[in-house]
Amino acid sequence: DVKVTQSSRYLVKRTGEKVFLECVQDMDHENMFWYRQDPGLGLRLIYFSYDVKMKEKGDIPEGYSVSREKKERFSLILESASTNQTSMYLCASPPQGRVNQPQHFGDGTRLSIL
Amino acid sequence: GNSVTQMEGPVTLSEEAFLTINCTYTATGYPSLFWYVQYPGEGLQLLLKATKADDKGSNKGFEATYRKETTSFHLEKGSVQVSDSAVYFCALSGSSNYKLTFGKGTLLTVNP
Repeated sequence: DVKVTQSSRYLVKRTGEKVFLECVQDMDHENMFWYRQDPGLGLRLIYFSYDVKMKEKGDIPEGYSVSREKKERFSLILESASTNQTSMYLCASPPQGRVNQPQHFGDGTRLSIL
Repeated sequence: GNSVTQMEGPVTLSEEAFLTINCTYTATGYPSLFWYVQYPGEGLQLLLKATKADDKGSNKGFEATYRKETTSFHLEKGSVQVSDSAVYFCALSGSSNYKLTFGKGTLLTVNP
């Protein structure tokens, strides 16, 4: 079974800090995604990556960057954290093959910026 | 672009009641459609999917049918349980990539 692991379940940081959220998948998938989840807004795509060192902006990339140095790891970076980035962050990865395969999600990181 | 509109919640039902959560979509081409469920404190899990028109996805007593003529994928369950209390998300992926577009989610609470 596919395992998508996010390094922290809960994280508290201060305004202006540089924050790293880590995601690891164990099935050699090429595609990985970062979403944020907010009440009443559903999930919104921040960035995704379709291969090592390849990345594309999603719908709400402002204030974020990503890093994919190894295939199994996809990092989301908040360059200078702000309170409006307090949210639940979810990493996901679909298996290889046809594009109609469902994505597998990690358990999420609940990030609070004070 | 693609979009998903699902029934706003919250929805509160008694155990054994019938559940419908409406979902309609806008997409080009031939999208795949999904229902994901998020139990309290957890990430999203795939509940069911349908990849072409008239397909019916089913799992754990939940069903949804891909209706291209009405661009809908409504979630139904004949008899809900307390353990079904969760947030339900309708989503679609385009015909050419893995990107998911989500609805805003519907919180379901089932009371004993």
